[in-house]
Amino acid sequence: EPEVTQTPSHQVTQMGQEVILRCVPISNHLYFYWYRQILGQKVEFLVSFYNNEISEKSEIFDDQFSVERPDGSNFTLKIRSTKLEDSAMYFCASSVPPPSPWGLAGYEQYFGPGTRLTVT
Amino acid sequence: RKEVEQDPGPFNVPEGATVAFNCTYSNSASQSFFWYRQDCRKEPKLLMSVYSSGNEDGRFTAQLNRASQYISLLIRDSKLSDSATYLCVVIKGSQGNLIFGKGTKLSVKP
Repeated sequence: EPEVTQTPSHQVTQMGQEVILRCVPISNHLYFYWYRQILGQKVEFLVSFYNNEISEKSEIFDDQFSVERPDGSNFTLKIRSTKLEDSAMYFCASSVPPPSPWGLAGYEQYFGPGTRLTVT
Repeated sequence: RKEVEQDPGPFNVPEGATVAFNCTYSNSASQSFFWYRQDCRKEPKLLMSVYSSGNEDGRFTAQLNRASQYISLLIRDSKLSDSATYLCVVIKGSQGNLIFGKGTKLSVKP
């Protein structure tokens, strides 16, 4: 069964450093997402990406964050200058061809195992 | 009012029990709804989509009440492996962004 993969599983970095989190979405999926979950809190939407550009982003996704699809398989999240409060689990997700407003097909998102980011 | 609200639990039930979770959402324009489950420190996994007419998948039944803006999940014949946090999820926006509730924790005991 195809699955979303993410690397690394755990990243420790010092405050102010740049980190890049990597994801390989399911191969025939065209919508890509990043979410984060601070320990003990709910999963929060960061950004959606389609057709090589950002579709939507949340208030959390400020100028310190960027996303990229550098090739046909990888999808990355970069945090330019990490803060202590960026410590969280970051999940990548993908969904099948563009969401249809006429049904649920295409909205079903499949999540990768996550990267635990620890900022010290 | 929070966008998606759930009773955090925990629900402690014996094996074989039937348990129901409810969830309310604030945006009456929401069109798509899901239940995900999340094991401790793992990713959310899609359990089932919630259709307007209600739907069933084995021991799991999901219902949607648009008038009251709530979604329910019923688990019959609970198994030890059902122990997890159940996340109520609503679509927001035209790009399929998911809005998660904080989850309801279920613990099934032998």
